[in-house]
Amino acid sequence: DIQMTQSPSSLSASVGDRVTITCRASQNIRTFLNWYHQKPGKAPKLLIYSASTLQSGVPSRFSGSGSGTDFTLTISSLQPEDFAVYYCQHSYNTRPWTFGQGTKVEI
Amino acid sequence: EVQLVESGGGLVQPGGSLRLSCAASGFTFGNYDMHWVRQTTGKGLEWVSAIGTRADTFYSDSVNGRFTISRENAKNSVYLQMNSLRAGDTAVYYCTRDSTTNGWRPTFDPWGQGTLVIVSS
Repeated sequence: DIQMTQSPSSLSASVGDRVTITCRASQNIRTFLNWYHQKPGKAPKLLIYSASTLQSGVPSRFSGSGSGTDFTLTISSLQPEDFAVYYCQHSYNTRPWTFGQGTKVEI
Repeated sequence: EVQLVESGGGLVQPGGSLRLSCAASGFTFGNYDMHWVRQTTGKGLEWVSAIGTRADTFYSDSVNGRFTISRENAKNSVYLQMNSLRAGDTAVYYCTRDSTTNGWRPTFDPWGQGTLVIVSS
């Protein structure tokens, strides 16, 4: 299985801060990497796919980068609605499709 | 609006069975691969099963042989039959669509609201 490891597991930040979350894959997945966020009591929501493509309707303060094994999700200016848990997921053509353990962004 | 609505969760005893349903709307259901993903407090998000547009099916090792995924395109629905349930299957089960059409490289969008399955005596 491809292991996805996120860091940090949690972070504290303030509104307006620049936030960076990293995700590392246990093998080369090229750019087959997606990012989601999840608010309490809600389902995960797609933010970025193919490592760097912003999903329609997602604010431009979110960006993704990386390829191979190392990936980054950046929020350029944290907004109150961004406090959530963030997950990465590999979409390489290898089952099972695994997720990172999550990064909780809190105030 | 693309929407997925799950149902069928509940409390079941170990060894019991449960059938989850997911009703889709707002898109041409038969054109998309569909997946079930579950979420537990301890293990986070875990992919469970998938069914392709040609009804090809795939399972995680943890449920293979116990769970069966199926779809009924005429009813825009996907199902997950869960047998021989264990305490470790306790989770919120989400139905989700692979929004891409580039083979088995899934991007999960959207997700249903989830249905809670509790396996306990």
